[in-house]
Amino acid sequence: SQQGEEDPQALSIQEGENATMNCSYKTSINNLQWYRQNSGRGLVHLILIRSNEREKHSGRLRVTLDTSKKSSSLLITASRAADTASYFCATALTGANNLFFGTGTRLTVIP
Amino acid sequence: EAEVAQSPRYKITEKSQAVAFWCDPISGHATLYWYRQILGQGPELLVQFQDESVVDDSQLPKDRFSAERLKGVDSTLKIQPAELGDSAMYLCASSLDRASYGYTFGSGTRLTVV
Repeated sequence: SQQGEEDPQALSIQEGENATMNCSYKTSINNLQWYRQNSGRGLVHLILIRSNEREKHSGRLRVTLDTSKKSSSLLITASRAADTASYFCATALTGANNLFFGTGTRLTVIP
Repeated sequence: EAEVAQSPRYKITEKSQAVAFWCDPISGHATLYWYRQILGQGPELLVQFQDESVVDDSQLPKDRFSAERLKGVDSTLKIQPAELGDSAMYLCASSLDRASYGYTFGSGTRLTVV
């Protein structure tokens, strides 16, 4: 069963705008990771945030984590058409050895 | 840049036939995972290896699925017999050490059972 839920399920924006995706999870975590998947391809690791961190940046990506609310957000700034993909959050649960993936957000960036 | 190799890229098989997928992880990655992804959903773990040992196969349908990682390097996932409901993307991933690091995924095998 899916441990994480992304919101929204789908998002369509104009090139240059910012895109924000949210992830909620159910149980205590060691870390939370975000992945991108282009249609019909494998997933690509974007960023990992540990449970004792609140915010991380990587290029145009900004990830926040609120463990009290069991939620995370991924912000993509100045979006490009090439950012069009599905984005998944994945949680490494406390005491578990693997990742549980959410249901994904389908992002479309219109040129 | 190092990649996780998977083959075949696509596979069409008739139900009740046997099918096998192969994965070669990044050199030095001790942990290897097989995930199944149904269209429109997130990946779900089938089996996890640490070196050559199975760490978690609780979600693997063992009556028809089997997986091995001989010598702790490459891995094979087999389905016998295939069922219509097995149509999905099968993804292999590897990591340095379990879920403490990001995973590197292969491009996957798209299986269609007819």
